[in-house]
Amino acid sequence: GDSVTQTEGLVTLTEGLPVMLNCTYQSTYSPFLFWYVQHLNEAPKLLLKSFTDNKRPEHQGFHATLHKSSSSFHLQKSSAQLSDSALYYCALSRGGNYKYVFGAGTRLKVIA
Amino acid sequence: GPKVLQIPSHQIIDMGQMVTLNCDPVSNHLYFYWYKQILGQQMEFLVNFYNGKVMEKSKLFKDQFSVERPDGSYFTLKIQPTALEDSAVYFCASSLRWASAETLYFGSGTRLTVL
Repeated sequence: GDSVTQTEGLVTLTEGLPVMLNCTYQSTYSPFLFWYVQHLNEAPKLLLKSFTDNKRPEHQGFHATLHKSSSSFHLQKSSAQLSDSALYYCALSRGGNYKYVFGAGTRLKVIA
Repeated sequence: GPKVLQIPSHQIIDMGQMVTLNCDPVSNHLYFYWYKQILGQQMEFLVNFYNGKVMEKSKLFKDQFSVERPDGSYFTLKIQPTALEDSAVYFCASSLRWASAETLYFGSGTRLTVL
């Protein structure tokens, strides 16, 4: 079946340094990939999602590129901010099976 | 942006009792979902619901679980009777369309503790 793997449970880094959160997936179809962010005591909300035409989605300085050859959709940002501290979920969805499959989540902690 | 409200935010009950988790989805959304997250683990799909019917359910959606949305009111998840392993955070979500690229809008979750 479909699966999403986020290898890092916790990433701690200093403000201003680049961010990269890993996400790989397995699916027998061509899924859509998503990144959701959940700040403390808030609901998970969409950060960005993959396009079908290989455009690179960007939002709030974050971007991710879908690499079908390596089944990856890593989340990146050039410079971390304190407000980026949150739980980040990678997820996939595919046609005919409209339920998201989530990764375990990566907690990003940005320190001054 | 659009908001999904979940009531209550916390619920503590004794094993064997019935519990109902309430969700007020985004007003014009037609598709509704429940996800379960055990502490420290990933969110897992339970069920989705459209036009008064369950469309899909996972193996986590036990016979003791039921969902409904009577007359366009709250979308509810009922567990009767509850078991210790039902302790988790339950997230409700809604979407406008039924499509693989569709954005889900989540509530903040209900933390259920079964004693």
